[in-house]
Amino acid sequence: ETGVTQTPRHLVMGMTNKKSLKCEQHLGHNAMYWYKQSAKKPLELMFVYSLEERVENNSVPSRFSPECPNSSHLFLHLHTLQPEDSALYLCASSQDASGGASSYNEQFFGPGTRLTVL
Amino acid sequence: AQSVTQPDIHITVSEGASLELRCNYSYGATPYLFWYVQSPGQGLQLLLKYFSGDTLVQGIKGFEAEFKRSQSSFNLRKPSVHWSDAAEYFCAVGADKTGGSYIPTFGRGTSLIVHP
Repeated sequence: ETGVTQTPRHLVMGMTNKKSLKCEQHLGHNAMYWYKQSAKKPLELMFVYSLEERVENNSVPSRFSPECPNSSHLFLHLHTLQPEDSALYLCASSQDASGGASSYNEQFFGPGTRLTVL
Repeated sequence: AQSVTQPDIHITVSEGASLELRCNYSYGATPYLFWYVQSPGQGLQLLLKYFSGDTLVQGIKGFEAEFKRSQSSFNLRKPSVHWSDAAEYFCAVGADKTGGSYIPTFGRGTSLIVHP
């Protein structure tokens, strides 16, 4: 596997289900991101993990719970979702600066998980 | 806070015609600017980026973009469009720092339709 992979690619779940989305990056990066992409809306940043610590969550509802066990893996645990949570969930990774240095590093995106909540 | 506007939701061009996709940003200083492309069923791929220096930036797949500070714009261009260029195009601005890097803010996207 190369780049950023996401599983599953498609997921249909009921509002009472619990499921998890998985992201894996094979690029040696130290930062990972979850984005939500809804139709005709800007890409929404949900969570950022840099050096395995969460640095941003952008007021995401608690029914979304991220987990980053190591620098290569990122999970998004889902429970009691609503139909409006149906969207494409994208994972991305980058090699970020550490120690306070400022920089921008290109984000590499996975293909996404198409989530449908019934 | 930073923001980016893509005024065109859809653009339709004929194959072989030239293309320009518009992007305007709002930020007090010079931000980092990007164009991404998303093909159906795929994630986003970086086409090009501007940090500083030459305001005309060359990217992959024959795309280029020009940074115009006076107009707060970063329009994407291609001289001759191919049918495979049909996709969703996102402009992004990165100026708000989170952690060790600048997290981009994305525009709503422009859908490019290419007619044969």
